[in-house]
Amino acid sequence: ETGVTQTPRHLVMGMTNKKSLKCEQHLGHNAMYWYKQSAKKPLELMFVYSLEERVENNSVPSRFSPECPNSSHLFLHLHTLQPEDSALYLCASSQDRRNHYEQYFGPGTRLTVT
Amino acid sequence: AQTVTQSQPEMSVQEAETVTLSCTYDTSESDYYLFWYKQPPSRQMILVIRQEAYKQQNATENRFSVNFQKAAKSFSLKISDSQLGDAAMYFCAYSKRGTYKYIFGTGTRLKVLA
Repeated sequence: ETGVTQTPRHLVMGMTNKKSLKCEQHLGHNAMYWYKQSAKKPLELMFVYSLEERVENNSVPSRFSPECPNSSHLFLHLHTLQPEDSALYLCASSQDRRNHYEQYFGPGTRLTVT
Repeated sequence: AQTVTQSQPEMSVQEAETVTLSCTYDTSESDYYLFWYKQPPSRQMILVIRQEAYKQQNATENRFSVNFQKAAKSFSLKISDSQLGDAAMYFCAYSKRGTYKYIFGTGTRLKVLA
């Protein structure tokens, strides 16, 4: 266990559904990240929050909406997704960007859009 | 734009032998960090080793070491005395100093043969 938890671990949703992914870190870190992991593709950085402020947003479709209510919790709200959005969604946290400490990853949520 | 390339989709190594995983990257920056992450099957991704670009000495962590060639933009990972628990996907990653943005390669699946 890395100190980063994600729920649910598996999610199947239709294209018209609305769901949310949750991430929680117990490490006292300042930054939290959402990544999309698809087979045979590099991890795609989606969003980064530092001290609850969004600092990176990598041209992600608006059907993905992040929320960071405090430095320990991160959500990814999903609505009207497409089948190509099926992937493993990873959350990560890190201590500080200045010295580029390692990122701690959660186990991921396996999302299937039908 | 920065890119990270892992040209070996899959590698195999005999238990107790040594294997080297390749990674090349492209950047115009001089101050950055490089990482190798390991993702075991159905388990969380963890950091294996980290290299700071301004340090000429290659990083080492127990059986894991890197060959960092800054001019060639090459960052290979050597695993000595391979163990069955080393079987995993290995991702090479780059991050420019002072940013939260991490760029990952497509990964190399390492199989360890008993």
